[in-house]
Amino acid sequence: AQSVAQPEDQVNVAEGNPLTVKCTYSVSGNPYLFWYVQYPNRGLQFLLKYITGDNLVKGSYGFEAEFNKSQTSFHLKKPSALVSDSALYFCAVRGPLDYKLSFGAGTTVTVRA
Amino acid sequence: DVKVTQSSRYLVKRTGEKVFLECVQDMDHENMFWYRQDPGLGLRLIYFSYDVKMKEKGDIPEGYSVSREKKERFSLILESASTNQTSMYLCASRRTSGRDTDTQYFGPGTRLTVL
Repeated sequence: AQSVAQPEDQVNVAEGNPLTVKCTYSVSGNPYLFWYVQYPNRGLQFLLKYITGDNLVKGSYGFEAEFNKSQTSFHLKKPSALVSDSALYFCAVRGPLDYKLSFGAGTTVTVRA
Repeated sequence: DVKVTQSSRYLVKRTGEKVFLECVQDMDHENMFWYRQDPGLGLRLIYFSYDVKMKEKGDIPEGYSVSREKKERFSLILESASTNQTSMYLCASRRTSGRDTDTQYFGPGTRLTVL
């Protein structure tokens, strides 16, 4: 069975400070990892993904994520957070032969001015 | 850009009513998905369709059915709505050949309230 853990329900940071949202996963085989963001009353928007290749993946809106196989982690990062980054962030995983994505419970990010 | 649309943003229904949620994608994607989103639980897969007239149950199919008569349209049906089906419903689609076969693209969601 595959699963995702997002250990923090909420992350609060000041604008301009680095932002990290944590994600660990469990899956059989090589993982396909994704981050999505959801703004209030909206659907999910794709941010970035890791399938293979460089462990550091760059995505939309200045976000990046680092794949760490030994720690089974895929943490989302942004060097300098903006107030407009305040949203709900989801990490998701699937195995190489799966169609089904397993999502974490989500982390609410609040960036204060 | 991929566009996934859902028929309603907000819907209020009464217990026992039959409810239809519609999803349309304009990118000729083979796979389509219905999820429900509840606080603290993330997204849970209700049903999956890998092509026209093809469907598979997801993790929580009880109380739901689906229909996929055309490639671009995937409908979620609540045969007899109950209050525990009050939730946000999200549709997604994915291509299975060519570029970008890994990413699911989501619609804006339908917030359903069952009274």
